[in-house]
Amino acid sequence: NAGVTQTPKFQVLKTGQSMTLQCAQDMNHNSMYWYRQDPGMGLRLIYYSASEGTTDKGEVPNGYNVSRLNKREFSLRLESAAPSQTSVYFCASSEQEAGHSYEQYFGPGTRLTVT
Amino acid sequence: DAKTTQPNSMESNEEEPVHLPCNHSTISGTDYIHWYRQLPSQGPEYVIHGLTSNVNNRMASLAIAEDRKSSTLILHRATLRDAAVYYCILTTDSWGKLQFGAGTQVVVTP
Repeated sequence: NAGVTQTPKFQVLKTGQSMTLQCAQDMNHNSMYWYRQDPGMGLRLIYYSASEGTTDKGEVPNGYNVSRLNKREFSLRLESAAPSQTSVYFCASSEQEAGHSYEQYFGPGTRLTVT
Repeated sequence: DAKTTQPNSMESNEEEPVHLPCNHSTISGTDYIHWYRQLPSQGPEYVIHGLTSNVNNRMASLAIAEDRKSSTLILHRATLRDAAVYYCILTTDSWGKLQFGAGTQVVVTP
């Protein structure tokens, strides 16, 4: 039981390049989330997926797209990377259902630098 | 969205209890109180959550004020591994989205 896995662990991009961050969970969770964390700050929600086939914007969605490929996988795409997107990206999953509150399980993060 | 207020940092001696306060004076009736912690260079880790009653688990206890405007996370015996940033978060919608603040940096000294 690996929990939440993320690839890659580290990435350096040049401005304007694109890339996709991968996330997978093996806990059969309904909901998945993408957060970013800038140095010295708390996490901010980029996008989330309440269930397979649905996605919604979070607090800071500009410059990103997401795909909920299936129940296990939720990817985050940067179409044209900018230095302001230098951050650590965390994926999380949860059993979450409407009206109930469950804990989120986080992956180890992807450290992205855009030069 | 309901917000939380936490001290920037707290220091504790190893094997002593740690009481981490959190104010959430604008909490609504359906908001859950969650605590997460983040060790250096790791993703956040769930600690505990509750709605109205005090909660205990293997990691910590959560004491919720009767008016729910504040809560306290209690680590019963701090270890060096408990040195982390602790976040107090209210879940304000049905889909569990977490809104992280700056958290409290806990320093544990031997």
